[in-house]
Amino acid sequence: KAGVTQTPRYLIKTRGQQVTLSCSPISGHRSVSWYQQTPGQGLQFLFEYFSETQRNKGNFPGRFSGRQFSNSRSEMNVSTLELGDSALYLCASSLDRGTEETQYFGPGTRLLVL
Amino acid sequence: DQQVKQNSPSLSVQEGRISILNCDYTNSMFDYFLWYKKYPAEGPTFLISISSIKDKNEDGRFTVFLNKSAKHLSLHIVPSQPGDSAVYFCAAKDYGGSQGNLIFGKGTKLSVKP
Repeated sequence: KAGVTQTPRYLIKTRGQQVTLSCSPISGHRSVSWYQQTPGQGLQFLFEYFSETQRNKGNFPGRFSGRQFSNSRSEMNVSTLELGDSALYLCASSLDRGTEETQYFGPGTRLLVL
Repeated sequence: DQQVKQNSPSLSVQEGRISILNCDYTNSMFDYFLWYKKYPAEGPTFLISISSIKDKNEDGRFTVFLNKSAKHLSLHIVPSQPGDSAVYFCAAKDYGGSQGNLIFGKGTKLSVKP
């Protein structure tokens, strides 16, 4: 079974631009979560989508948004990019949101904001 | 306030010996704990998990121990191999409260020397 895929793998943008990242979950997985990893803050939860609905959101500004399509694929968008948005953005999928459900991660998208 | 803490940023172990990675948490509502391994430029790879109703879970060379009263868990790797060299993240989930997103520690870099 194919794993979680993320595109693009690397991205360079300038301040003020916007960016859209894509995530395709493992086949059959309906929950998709997004995380941001930075050297200083570690892995931080952005938001989770389940059946096209945002079910949970982390403590990030409104510039960070996402959506999920009917095939469970998800996109996240960051508008008005800031230097501090440079990070590794990770997507994780799971079957559902049960207590003992394990999340499986994609390889990430490395975003550099200049 | 950091709810999941990995107090050792790095650990060096000789090949064949035991590696013990530690993790402390503050939220008594956490009901599921996971360990992930991460290589540079890759997404985290799931290793092993444990439910809060258990105190030990074993999978091959990997064993996770949970001490709920101390709010402490540890990952034991026996025997350690050079290929185990990576950053290890402890993560916790409070299904009822945070609706399933993972809260990560900042990681411990394990180096296994031949």
